[in-house]
Amino acid sequence: KQEVTQIPAALSVPEGENLVLNCSFTDSAIYNLQWFRQDPGKGLTSLLLIQSSQREQTSGRLNASLDKSSGRSTLYIAASQPGDSATYLCAVMTTDSWGKFQFGAGTQVVVTP
Amino acid sequence: GAVVSQHPSRVICKSGTSVKIECRSLDFQATTMFWYRQFPKQSLMLMATSNEGSKATYEQGVEKDKFLINHASLTLSTLTVTSAHPEDSSFYICSALRGSQVDEQFFGPGTRLTVL
Repeated sequence: KQEVTQIPAALSVPEGENLVLNCSFTDSAIYNLQWFRQDPGKGLTSLLLIQSSQREQTSGRLNASLDKSSGRSTLYIAASQPGDSATYLCAVMTTDSWGKFQFGAGTQVVVTP
Repeated sequence: GAVVSQHPSRVICKSGTSVKIECRSLDFQATTMFWYRQFPKQSLMLMATSNEGSKATYEQGVEKDKFLINHASLTLSTLTVTSAHPEDSSFYICSALRGSQVDEQFFGPGTRLTVL
């Protein structure tokens, strides 16, 4: 069974610093991996989707890398802003679980002005 | 495009009553929808897969008689929590697949259920 772990569980940085969020998974037979943002009491906002054949994806200040062989993905957020404060979730879809995501517990990020 | 809505956004009910939560794909057809549950400070856990016109498939440990899922049309799936108890209090989120593309999956805003 796929297990997804996110480290650290919480992170606080001053505005302007780069954020590095880690996600690890146990089963490398993945279809894709997706990073989401969740604000308190709200639903999910998709940030980046990486296909299993890809090594990274970029969108604005966000960059996500994927290393299937080591079972890791990293989300980089450049020049953090207070508006980046949220919980970031990593979700993995394995090849034998069509359409189903296995989520990590998330990293709670606070960016202080 | 690709918007998924949920109704209600919040619901409070008494223990023993049933509550229905709707998940709608507003601008696309969704043959398959998924229901997740999120307890406070925890991650999302998949509860069931909802397929239009057929019975839902439940994940291990999820009581199908307690969490009734009906996917009666290509744009609507409902989750009914029957005889709700305080331990059912949670944040319920649905997602919908646009067509058969697993990469085209969109999440609803969630429903906060509180059982008193």
